Amino acid sequence: AQKVTQAQTEISVVEKEDVTLDCVYETRDTTYYLFWYKQPPSGELVFLIRRNSFDEQNEISGRYSWNFQKSTSSFNFTITASQVVDSAVYFCALSRNTGTASKLTFGTGTRLQVTL
Amino acid sequence: KAGVTQTPRYLIKTRGQQVTLSCSPISGHRSVSWYQQTPGQGLQFLFEYFSETQRNKGNFPGRFSGRQFSNSRSEMNVSTLELGDSALYLCASSLEDPSWNTIYFGEGSWLTVV
Repeated sequence: AQKVTQAQTEISVVEKEDVTLDCVYETRDTTYYLFWYKQPPSGELVFLIRRNSFDEQNEISGRYSWNFQKSTSSFNFTITASQVVDSAVYFCALSRNTGTASKLTFGTGTRLQVTL
Repeated sequence: KAGVTQTPRYLIKTRGQQVTLSCSPISGHRSVSWYQQTPGQGLQFLFEYFSETQRNKGNFPGRFSGRQFSNSRSEMNVSTLELGDSALYLCASSLEDPSWNTIYFGEGSWLTVV
């Protein structure tokens, strides 16, 4: 069975601080996909990144960066110089490389509060 | 390019009633999935439709059903509503094969059962 753990329930930072959101996953598959989504109060899940299990390159997109380490089954997300607009709930998710690829297994989410 | 559109955004129903939620995927997307989000259970997969056929199903009772039309639009139905069905229902779409394509979500339908 697949499982995603986001141990940090809530994080509060002051604007301009860097913050890392942790994600640990469990799967027996050798090929799988990892995602991060942002959920603002409106409810929509906003896609941030998709990573294939065979691609361990870290990625940077503006203030966002992701550190994927298969050895520790982790896919952590860092926001550099956080802003108030980053306040949201962030979800890490995992899917399989099979006919059930549409079935995302989500973590419980991390609520990020960025204050001035 | 329009995103995933869900209607209605908010609704209140009474126990025992039924409800139908609608989802229009991103143009060109043929896979539509539904998820339920509650404070207690988090985000859970309901089912996925592709080319008008249910391709995957989560662990929900038969009161939860769905369908997909030839234009890829999808509806989900919940019959005999229970208080525990109160949730945010999210629809997601992707190109043909979610194995190779990103899954995009709509804003969801907030259902309250009283």
